Amino acid sequence: DTAVSQTPKYLVTQMGNDKSIKCEQNLGHDTMYWYKQDSKKFLKIMFSYNNKELIINETVPNRFSPKSPDKAHLNLHINSLELGDSAVYFCASSPGGGATYEQYFGPGTRLTVT
Amino acid sequence: SQQGEEDPQALSIQEGENATMNCSYKTSINNLQWYRQNSGRGLVHLILIRSNEREKHSGRLRVTLDTSKKSSSLLITASRAADTASYFCATASSGNTPLVFGKGTRLSVIA
Repeated sequence: DTAVSQTPKYLVTQMGNDKSIKCEQNLGHDTMYWYKQDSKKFLKIMFSYNNKELIINETVPNRFSPKSPDKAHLNLHINSLELGDSAVYFCASSPGGGATYEQYFGPGTRLTVT
Repeated sequence: SQQGEEDPQALSIQEGENATMNCSYKTSINNLQWYRQNSGRGLVHLILIRSNEREKHSGRLRVTLDTSKKSSSLLITASRAADTASYFCATASSGNTPLVFGKGTRLSVIA
């Protein structure tokens, strides 16, 4: 059983399109995250949700909107995609909020915007 | 920013040798974590060391933390080809702040 899963694994789309990435965790964790990893492998947090409630929203364009229908799912919707959005997006979860706990990462979604 | 900075950026060693990676950070921390990322995969948590701890072990991994120097090191003993990966340190100033990742050290272990 995959602990943190993401779909799709690869996403190729054109500028201006709207796309979604889905994330599910079966670990029973309360907190979920979205990270963006750029071409230089730099990993930066985008959002954090605790029990379906947004607790961290870093400096991310409002074209990015997370949605958490329940505490096991955290989806990422991106409007009006731009070339600079090309990156690998990782979902992660942890037993509690903040950085006190280890985080479990999904396999990543490689987004390519052409 | 308290972003961790790993050193070296890249490291190539022979199988069986030890590998040491360092992480420096700028402000006081609650804890420091090390993660591994194999090519094309997600990150895997290795060790979490709290600010009041100085050393932790997990199998062939040894992590030290020197809060006076704001630095940590990750030692992998008797390295294997399967240890080839990028290694990241991540820090947080408190339990409520997000983890901030460094840029990673790319380790290549040659069989």
